[in-house]
Amino acid sequence: EPEVTQTPSHQVTQMGQEVILRCVPISNHLYFYWYRQILGQKVEFLVSFYNNEISEKSEIFDDQFSVERPDGSNFTLKIRSTKLEDSAMYFCASRLDRQETQYFGPGTRLLVL
Amino acid sequence: GQQVMQIPQYQHVQEGEDFTTYCNSSTTLSNIQWYKQRPGGHPVFLIQLVKSGEVKKQKRLTFQFGEAKKNSSLHITATQTTDVGTYFCAGQGSQGNLIFGKGTKLSVKP
Repeated sequence: EPEVTQTPSHQVTQMGQEVILRCVPISNHLYFYWYRQILGQKVEFLVSFYNNEISEKSEIFDDQFSVERPDGSNFTLKIRSTKLEDSAMYFCASRLDRQETQYFGPGTRLLVL
Repeated sequence: GQQVMQIPQYQHVQEGEDFTTYCNSSTTLSNIQWYKQRPGGHPVFLIQLVKSGEVKKQKRLTFQFGEAKKNSSLHITATQTTDVGTYFCAGQGSQGNLIFGKGTKLSVKP
């Protein structure tokens, strides 16, 4: 069964450093999402991406965040200058169209020291 | 903005007891989805409800969508230890993004 993959599974970084989280969505999917989940809390929407542009973003997704689909397979989330409060699990998700099931990747656990 | 509330936050049951989690939205939902997240895992899709008053069953799990499409529930009959995890409801935003409830963490004592 096709699945969403994410790398790395864990990332430890120093405050102020840039990190890039990578996702490979399911190959024929058209809608892509990033979510984050701070430990013990709910899953929060960050950004949605369709047709090579951001279609919606939450208030969490400020100027420190950016997304890119550099080629036909990868979907990346960049945090320019990490803060302690960026420590969380980051999930990528994709779906074929807006009414279909959203499939989540296994997540990247980011720890900012 | 759109909010999804979910209760209870935690539920501890004895194996064999039933379990229910409830979800309420501040606005009418086009659909509602339910996910299960095991400890250390990622959200796994369980079901999507679209129609007003819809009821769907998956073995011991029963999902309901309210008539006004603003509330939903998940009921598990005769819980098993394999049911342990956090159950999230999620409403769909205008761009297909999911707005999650805070989840109900279920623990099952054997």
